[in-house]
Amino acid sequence: KAGVTQTPRYLIKTRGQQVTLSCSPISGHRSVSWYQQTPGQGLQFLFEYFSETQRNKGNFPGRFSGRQFSNSRSEMNVSTLELGDSALYLCASSATSGVYNEQFFGPGTRLTVL
Amino acid sequence: DQQVKQNSPSLSVQEGRISILNCDYTNSMFDYFLWYKKYPAEGPTFLISISSIKDKNEDGRFTVFLNKSAKHLSLHIVPSQPGDSAVYFCAASDDNYGQNFVFGPGTRLSVLP
Repeated sequence: KAGVTQTPRYLIKTRGQQVTLSCSPISGHRSVSWYQQTPGQGLQFLFEYFSETQRNKGNFPGRFSGRQFSNSRSEMNVSTLELGDSALYLCASSATSGVYNEQFFGPGTRLTVL
Repeated sequence: DQQVKQNSPSLSVQEGRISILNCDYTNSMFDYFLWYKKYPAEGPTFLISISSIKDKNEDGRFTVFLNKSAKHLSLHIVPSQPGDSAVYFCAASDDNYGQNFVFGPGTRLSVLP
């Protein structure tokens, strides 16, 4: 079974631009979560989508948004990029939401904002 | 203020000995905890979980202990192997039906041959 894939793997943008990251979950998984990883803050939860609906949202500004398609693929969009948005963005998929639910992470997209 | 803390940024252990990674949390509503391992240039990999109804969960060389009154959990790796060298993240959630996990900053474990 193929794992979680994220595209692109690396991205360089400038301040003020917007960016869209893509995540394809493991086949059959319906839940996709997004995380931001920075050296100073560690892993921080952005949001979770389940069956095309946003189920949970972390404490990030409205510039960070996402969506999920009917095939469970998910995209994350960041508008008006700031230098502080430079980070590794990780996507995780799981079969369902719920207790004892294991998440499988993708390799991440490393975003650099200049 | 960090809700999940891993106060040791790094830990070095001799191969074959026990590795103990610690995690403390402040939110008493957390009732489900996980440990992840992360190698460079890869996404985190799920290791082991524990819910608040248990105080211990074991999976092979990995055992997680939970002390709810102290808001503390620990991951024991016995025996430690060089391939265990990675960054270990503790994560906690109070949400049974979502993925809103709060992660600690991680502890870098080095297992020396």
